Amino acid sequence: SQQGEEDPQALSIQEGENATMNCSYKTSINNLQWYRQNSGRGLVHLILIRSNEREKHSGRLRVTLDTSKKSSSLLITASRAADTASYFCATDAGETSGSRLTFGEGTQLTVNP
Amino acid sequence: NAGVTQTPKFRVLKTGQSMTLLCAQDMNHEYMYWYRQDPGMGLRLIHYSVGEGTTAKGEVPDGYNVSRLKKQNFLLGLESAAPSQTSVYFCASSYNRPLISYEQYFGPGTRLTVT
Repeated sequence: SQQGEEDPQALSIQEGENATMNCSYKTSINNLQWYRQNSGRGLVHLILIRSNEREKHSGRLRVTLDTSKKSSSLLITASRAADTASYFCATDAGETSGSRLTFGEGTQLTVNP
Repeated sequence: NAGVTQTPKFRVLKTGQSMTLLCAQDMNHEYMYWYRQDPGMGLRLIHYSVGEGTTAKGEVPDGYNVSRLKKQNFLLGLESAAPSQTSVYFCASSYNRPLISYEQYFGPGTRLTVT
């Protein structure tokens, strides 16, 4: 079963607005990662936040992690049409080998120019 | 650096046929993974490898086999293809240190249709 669940499934906004996507998971984690997938392409890593971190920034991206609620959010500020993509959270349960990630079903973000 | 490459990009198989998907990475990563992605779903792990000569089962391994004879290559085999294996297949690789995970680098995908 999927560990992460994204909310909403789809989000449509205007260019310049902020986009917030949420991810919930079920078991304890070592870290949580966010990936972007453009249509017909492979996934691209955006940001990794470890279980002892609460917030992390990278450019226009802000990720928060609340381990007590088993949830994370990805905020994209001042969105651009080029941000149109699917966004996935992935959790790492911290097994001793393999760095295995469990992916959610994704949020489809559409940024209208 | 080419990163992670996958061969072929597209393939159509008839039920019962076999094929091998090739993944290659030039980043000297120890860990490699095979995922499948079905419409409207996230990625599900099929098999993975933590080093040359090692393989392990993921979430959905049935109907697939893998081999990692060389560090840079990870092969995914379908011995007898079924329509349920119609999917987009992604290979990924990552760096590693014990108990510390890193981001995964993904290939462009192979779109497989089984009729």
